[in-house]
Amino acid sequence: DIQMTQSPSSLSASVGDRVTITCRASQSISSYLNWYQQKPGKAPKLLIYAASSLQSGVPSRFSGSGSGTDFTLTISSLQPEDSATYYCQQSYSTLYTFGQGTKLEIK
Amino acid sequence: QVQLVESGGGVVQPGRSLRLSCAASGFTFSGYAMHWVRQAPGKGLEWVALISFDGSNKYYADSVKGRFTISRDNSKNTLYLQMNSLRPEDTAVYYCASDKAFKVGPPNEYGLDVWGQGTTVTVSS
Repeated sequence: DIQMTQSPSSLSASVGDRVTITCRASQSISSYLNWYQQKPGKAPKLLIYAASSLQSGVPSRFSGSGSGTDFTLTISSLQPEDSATYYCQQSYSTLYTFGQGTKLEIK
Repeated sequence: QVQLVESGGGVVQPGRSLRLSCAASGFTFSGYAMHWVRQAPGKGLEWVALISFDGSNKYYADSVKGRFTISRDNSKNTLYLQMNSLRPEDTAVYYCASDKAFKVGPPNEYGLDVWGQGTTVTVSS
């Protein structure tokens, strides 16, 4: 199975900060990498698919990059409503796997 | 509107069975692969199973393989997860989710774009 490792596991940042979350795959997954946002008690929400494509309706401050094994999710100017847990997921293998999550808190 | 609604969760004893359902509406259900994803209390997301748009291909996480069966009835716009030999570690909120891509793979690079609200399964004696 392909293992996905996110870093950091948690972080705290201020409104207006630029925030970057990284995700590393245990083998090359081309651009088959997706990012989700989950708020407490809610279902996950797709933010980015195919490593860098913005899902419809998602604010443009969210962006994704990378290919192969190393990927990043960037929030260009953090907003209070961005407080959530973020997950990467690979869809390269038919055994889809998620990263362990990154909990983002607003200072 | 596009919607997925799960049902069938509850409290069950270890070793027993449970069947979850996921009713789809507002989109062409028969054109999309479907997934089950679970989340244990206080833990991260775990992908559980996948079924292709026509039901011909099914894939499972190692943690449930041989115990869980995913299926779909495209005439009823409904996805199922039959869970047998349940264990305490199967306790979780179970979400159904739709693949974003119409009749492409999986696998594909498009992610899961429609999610249900989740149904809770508790395995305890």
